[in-house]
Amino acid sequence: AQTVTQSQPEMSVQEAETVTLSCTYDTSESDYYLFWYKQPPSRQMILVIRQEAYKQQNATENRFSVNFQKAAKSFSLKISDSQLGDAAMYFCAYRSPYNQGGKLIFGQGTELSVKP
Amino acid sequence: DAGITQSPRHKVTETGTPVTLRCHQTENHRYMYWYRQDPGHGLRLIHYSYGVKDTDKGEVSDGYSVSRSKTEDFLLTLESATSSQTSVYFCAINGGGLNTDTQYFGPGTRLTVL
Repeated sequence: AQTVTQSQPEMSVQEAETVTLSCTYDTSESDYYLFWYKQPPSRQMILVIRQEAYKQQNATENRFSVNFQKAAKSFSLKISDSQLGDAAMYFCAYRSPYNQGGKLIFGQGTELSVKP
Repeated sequence: DAGITQSPRHKVTETGTPVTLRCHQTENHRYMYWYRQDPGHGLRLIHYSYGVKDTDKGEVSDGYSVSRSKTEDFLLTLESATSSQTSVYFCAINGGGLNTDTQYFGPGTRLTVL
């Protein structure tokens, strides 16, 4: 069974600085998808970024980018020029196209605080 | 943003009572999912649906049932609520077009079972 681990329960960053959130996963599959979701205090789950495992190029979305290391099964999220609105819980998630309708498997989350 | 609504948004109920949560989508997408979120666990799949009247269990399905009589509605029922089912419940759908591999979430329902 696949698992997702986020080893940093909490992280803190100064406004305008850069922070990296870690995520590792375990799978025997070669075809899958990886995601980062943001959950602010409003509780809404917001897609931040996605990565297809067959693509070697790291995904980017404005200030958000990932470092995808397939062999190491690592998928970290880098937030550049951090803003107060980035403060939230961040979840890493894995999706297999073969299991249970393509369910998402989530890590435990990392709570990010941004200091002004 | 995907058109997904959940009702109710908050509910407090007593142990032993039945509870039904509703997920409604306006996207006409085939796959729909119910997850629960608990501290320290992220989100975990309860049930999912791959079409009208087509549903299957997820990893934490005990104590829950689902129904899907229309494409747009996916209902989650707790036949006899227990305190262990106090949680936040999220509905999700697959995206369309080039985003069918991505799930989009509703706003969540906070359920408290006393």
